[in-house]
Amino acid sequence: DADVTQTPRNRITKTGKRIMLECSQTKGHDRMYWYRQDPGLGLRLIYYSFDVKDINKGEISDGYSVSRQAQAKFSLSLESAIPNQTALYFCATSDTRRTDEAFFGQGTRLTVV
Amino acid sequence: AQSVTQLGSHVSVSEGALVLLRCNYSSSVPPYLFWYVQYPNQGLQLLLKYTSAATLVKGINGFEAEFKKSETSFHLTKPSAHMSDAAEYFCAVIFNQAGTALIFGKGTTLSVSS
Repeated sequence: DADVTQTPRNRITKTGKRIMLECSQTKGHDRMYWYRQDPGLGLRLIYYSFDVKDINKGEISDGYSVSRQAQAKFSLSLESAIPNQTALYFCATSDTRRTDEAFFGQGTRLTVV
Repeated sequence: AQSVTQLGSHVSVSEGALVLLRCNYSSSVPPYLFWYVQYPNQGLQLLLKYTSAATLVKGINGFEAEFKKSETSFHLTKPSAHMSDAAEYFCAVIFNQAGTALIFGKGTTLSVSS
């Protein structure tokens, strides 16, 4: 089993719908992150969390919200999806004691039509 | 402001040629630096990292990178390109080890021709 698991892997949704992307990890890490990848723009940070009670906005948080339900789970929600949120989304984790490496999930490809 | 820049969104080389992918950062304090690779339709894989130890870092698949503080650079090289190296490469940094997240450059797509 993967250390960082994202569900779903692919999703097509309609404009205006609410959608949640989920991320779970078995690495025991305290830090978790959500990124989106767009061609030519690299990966941009949406939100990050350094522990269960800590939530921080990243570079492009507008239109998104997150929930850190437990140390191992970090969900990303789009309250009302719009087409320009079509992208590849990655969850990542890292350990405060070893901030020199992040571990990534396989990604969720989201299409908003 | 702290930033990371990859020079060249697309690099093309012939098989067997030198690969050079450029990355520069902007910060008064040397950050942690990383190179990740993404093969088509896959996630990200760590190639190598610099965390204030040796300035010449060797990674997987024959890649290496050299941290140059005076040039604020961390360029990725490979002496001889293989067709299988065709992928997108991302430079990433952590500017403040205690309190910030991994920040990525915009990526460089490497094409390898026979």
